[in-house]
Amino acid sequence: GAGVSQTPSNKVTEKGKYVELRCDPISGHTALYWYRQSLGQGPEFLIYFQGTGAADDSGLPNDRFFAVRPEGSVSTLKIQRTERGDSAVYLCASSTTGGNTEAFFGQGTRLTVV
Amino acid sequence: GNSVTQMEGPVTLSEEAFLTINCTYTATGYPSLFWYVQYPGEGLQLLLKATKADDKGSNKGFEATYRKETTSFHLEKGSVQVSDSAVYFCALNDAYNFNKFYFGSGTKLNVKP
Repeated sequence: GAGVSQTPSNKVTEKGKYVELRCDPISGHTALYWYRQSLGQGPEFLIYFQGTGAADDSGLPNDRFFAVRPEGSVSTLKIQRTERGDSAVYLCASSTTGGNTEAFFGQGTRLTVV
Repeated sequence: GNSVTQMEGPVTLSEEAFLTINCTYTATGYPSLFWYVQYPGEGLQLLLKATKADDKGSNKGFEATYRKETTSFHLEKGSVQVSDSAVYFCALNDAYNFNKFYFGSGTKLNVKP
């Protein structure tokens, strides 16, 4: 595709439910990132994939959050037992491997936990 | 550690005014520096970048110079337009830490006709 695609664009869920957020990166990009952006804040790092493996998951806030990228392309961010504090815009980005490279961002999924 | 601090907004200017948005950073290594822009209803887009000290990034009339001595990367534009209204994020990229990006909290720019 032309850019990073995220689905759904909006998700409203009830507290305690399980949600999955999908990211389809730019074809050929081996690096994939998930960020979370709260209202009025900059994006905060969650997890980084290089290929299929999570090279750095230090930003995941707790064990309710995990992400997979089984074939090195599409990634899914999974949140269990959602809480109201999880409400935010979840951003996905991809890039080519290597330092100093630009990351291309998707438009994000706005998650609202009610 | 790595962090980015940028001036709080909102910044409100009249069309054709001069713009400066301050950004300073703390880094353990030798980061690249970026400005991303988020237009209303859209995703983050790269505006400009600089990969080493004294480099100047420029795009669409915006400029920023990587100043290692002052650990700064201030964004400037000589004459803003209404279409520049957006949120601007300063960021650094740590190539020695999985190419992870660290973002500032964003500065909202409102340009009035």
